[in-house]
Amino acid sequence: SQQGEEDPQALSIQEGENATMNCSYKTSINNLQWYRQNSGRGLVHLILIRSNEREKHSGRLRVTLDTSKKSSSLLITASRAADTASYFCATDKETSGSRLTFGEGTQLTVNP
Amino acid sequence: DTAVSQTPKYLVTQMGNDKSIKCEQNLGHDTMYWYKQDSKKFLKIMFSYNNKELIINETVPNRFSPKSPDKAHLNLHINSLELGDSAVYFCASSQDPRGSYNSPLHFGNGTRLTVT
Repeated sequence: SQQGEEDPQALSIQEGENATMNCSYKTSINNLQWYRQNSGRGLVHLILIRSNEREKHSGRLRVTLDTSKKSSSLLITASRAADTASYFCATDKETSGSRLTFGEGTQLTVNP
Repeated sequence: DTAVSQTPKYLVTQMGNDKSIKCEQNLGHDTMYWYKQDSKKFLKIMFSYNNKELIINETVPNRFSPKSPDKAHLNLHINSLELGDSAVYFCASSQDPRGSYNSPLHFGNGTRLTVT
């Protein structure tokens, strides 16, 4: 299986609800990043968390990292219809350079 | 003021043809990448250039040849196109990885290649 596996593959919620997506990986990492991809567009970087960090916030986003379990979660609070997109986690195990390995993504649908 | 732009957005061609995709970034980044996204949205790195020097070359058929005339441009040329090459190809850039290995990637909007 791939480094960086998201769970669930698809998530459908109502506007205003919170959305939680999980990511698991297999090898040691330097950092883990979350990206969003709207339909027909490129990926947009959301947040980066380093291996020595446990939690980061950015607006309505909260990312946690548990290196002992090799897992991360992305929480989107008070979701909006505009949050509908695919969300990818990507791990980087390089200490020099960048070689991101992406998961297969979670398709989030926020219903108005 | 698009940061990473790639052309064309759509490319439909027949098997056996040769085609090119162009990418330009105006972010002043030193590193550029090509990623391939398949029909299941799985994204895989193909190449990476740092300041015109090839630094990552994954197991990609040698029909694919990247060219970087300067650090703001990274083009992808594909020879003898095959049905399996159909995918969305994304260009991306980041700051110098040797100095900033935690740099996030900035992606273009992709080129959807369809080989018939």
